[in-house]
Amino acid sequence: DIQMTQSPSSLSASVGDRVTITCRASQGIRNDLGWYQQKPGKAPKRLIYAASSLQSGVPSRFSGSGSGTEFTLTISSLQPEDFATYYCLQHNSYPQTFGQGTKVEIK
Amino acid sequence: EVQLVESGGGVVRPGGSLRLSCAASGFTFDDYGMSWVRQAPGKGLEWVSGINWNGGSTGYADSVKGRFTISRDNAKNSLYLQMNSLRAEDTALYHCARGGDCSGGSCSQVDYWGQGTLVTVSS
Repeated sequence: DIQMTQSPSSLSASVGDRVTITCRASQGIRNDLGWYQQKPGKAPKRLIYAASSLQSGVPSRFSGSGSGTEFTLTISSLQPEDFATYYCLQHNSYPQTFGQGTKVEIK
Repeated sequence: EVQLVESGGGVVRPGGSLRLSCAASGFTFDDYGMSWVRQAPGKGLEWVSGINWNGGSTGYADSVKGRFTISRDNAKNSLYLQMNSLRAEDTALYHCARGGDCSGGSCSQVDYWGQGTLVTVSS
């Protein structure tokens, strides 16, 4: 099984800050990775697909990069509505696997 | 608009069984693979199982393999998860999701989620 190691598990940031979250895969997964945002009590929402493609309707301050084993989600200027938990998900092979999640909190 | 509505959750004793259902609308159901993803209280997301468009290819997380069975009925635009030999650690909110399957050497990514149905395994 492919393990996804996500870091950090949590971070505190201020509005306007640049935020970076990383996922590392235990083996190469090409660009078969997506990023999701989840707010309390809500279903997750996809932000990024194919590692770097922005989901329609998602603000351009979100971006994804990487290929192979290392991937990054960047929020260029954190907004109040971005405080949430973020997950990566690899879909290279069964079983598909999530990272452990990163909780982004207000500093 | 894509809609996924889960049902069938509830409280069940350890060792018991439960069948979850997901009613899909707003898209051509048999054009897509489907999956189940769960989230234990206060924990992260866990992919549980996936099924391709015609049910010919399925996959499971190691934690549920041999106990859970995913299936679908394209005529009814419905996805199912039969859960047997339930354990306390299966307690979670179970989400139906579009995508998340693998077939013929390629896999699809989850793009839409339902709100979930809660399964509680407790004596």
